[in-house]
Formats: sequence, C-alpha cells, structure tokens
Amino acid sequence: KAGVTQTPRYLIKTRGQQVTLSCSPISGHRSVSWYQQTPGQGLQFLFEYFSETQRNKGNFPGRFSGRQFSNSRSEMNVSTLELGDSALYLCASSLSRGNYIPYGYTFGSGTRLTVV
Amino acid sequence: KNEVEQSPQNLTAQEGEFITINCSYSVGISALHWLQQHPGGGIVSLFMLSSGKKKHGRLIATINIQEKHSSLHITASHPRDSAVYICASYSGGGADGLTFGKGTHLIIQP
Repeated sequence: KAGVTQTPRYLIKTRGQQVTLSCSPISGHRSVSWYQQTPGQGLQFLFEYFSETQRNKGNFPGRFSGRQFSNSRSEMNVSTLELGDSALYLCASSLSRGNYIPYGYTFGSGTRLTVV
Repeated sequence: KNEVEQSPQNLTAQEGEFITINCSYSVGISALHWLQQHPGGGIVSLFMLSSGKKKHGRLIATINIQEKHSSLHITASHPRDSAVYICASYSGGGADGLTFGKGTHLIIQP
C-alpha cells in the first residue's frame, strides 16, 4: 500500500514569505500529525488532527497553522517565515483507537525547508 | 510538562554486541514509541508500548510503567542497525502530543 506522501520534498523560501506543505496519509488513517526537526531542538510536535479537527497543538507561535480535509489529507502553513524556521518538517499518519490514542505511526519522508 | 530523557547520546559498538538504549519520562503516559531514523531523515516506527515487552526480530523493547522507564535492546548487532534511535511518549492531549527524546546515535562497526 502507498505510504505517507509529503510534498514538496525540498523548498527554499525568503524571509517574510509564507509556505504551505502538504501531507497525504495512508488510506484509512484518520489521524495526521506534524513535527519539526532541527539539529538544535531535535523533533518537536506541531499539531495533530483527527477527522478534520485539531486535537492537540504544540508550543509554536501562531504563524504555524494547519488543517485537515475530509479525505484526511493535511496541510500546514507557516506565515512570515524566519531564518529559524529552516528545518525538516515531517508528518505522520496513524490509526486511532476508540479513545483517540493514535497508534501505528507511519512517517513521511519530510519536507526540507530552507529560509534564506 | 512531560520530559523524555535518552541515554546514551552516542554509542559505538562492534558487530555482534548486545545493545541497550534507555529512555525515561517524567509523567504518566498513554504509550511509548521507539523510532529509527536513518541518514536522509526517513523515520520508521519500531514499537509502540503501553506495558510489558515486545519483540520483533533482533529488537526487543520493554517498559516499566511504575519506574517511567523503557529500554530498547538489539541482539547480535549488525552495521545495518547503525541509525539514530528515538523514544517518544504520548500523554494523550494538550500541548504534548508526541514528546521526543534527543535520540541515540548508534554506530555498529564491522
């Protein structure tokens, strides 16, 4: 079966611009979560969506936003880009049990964003 | 706020050695995940644990809920096991989502 697809793979943007990243989950997975990975901070949780609703949000400024569509595809948007936003952005899709705890995470290959 | 600590940060071993990576977390969690990341960024989920022990091939993961501690073991290590191993806890809500350790950079020399 197809894995988690993230587009684009690589992106170079200028400070002040905005960017939209896309994540297509594995068919049947209704939970999508987003993460930022940098050499200094490691992996950090951005947000988690289940059935088009944001369930959890990490400690990131409001410039970071996301949404999930009815087909479970998700996008994240970063506005007014800063140099420090340069990172690998990963999404993961997962199944959820009745109590909404996600399990069986499958990660995409990530989008490497460089802000210049 | 949940915090996840991993040790060691770096580990170099010879092929065939038994490897142990440790993970401690600070608050009650719903699940503990072990992930493997190879150069280039791809992350593979190895285990999800809420209690006890799981085994897959040469990999074994254990968790002690009372002590808030988990270990990942690799038996008969091989150079292809060289990767960064990351533990992550899921506490079930709020700003935590998945909370990650800093990772253990493992190198297995032939």
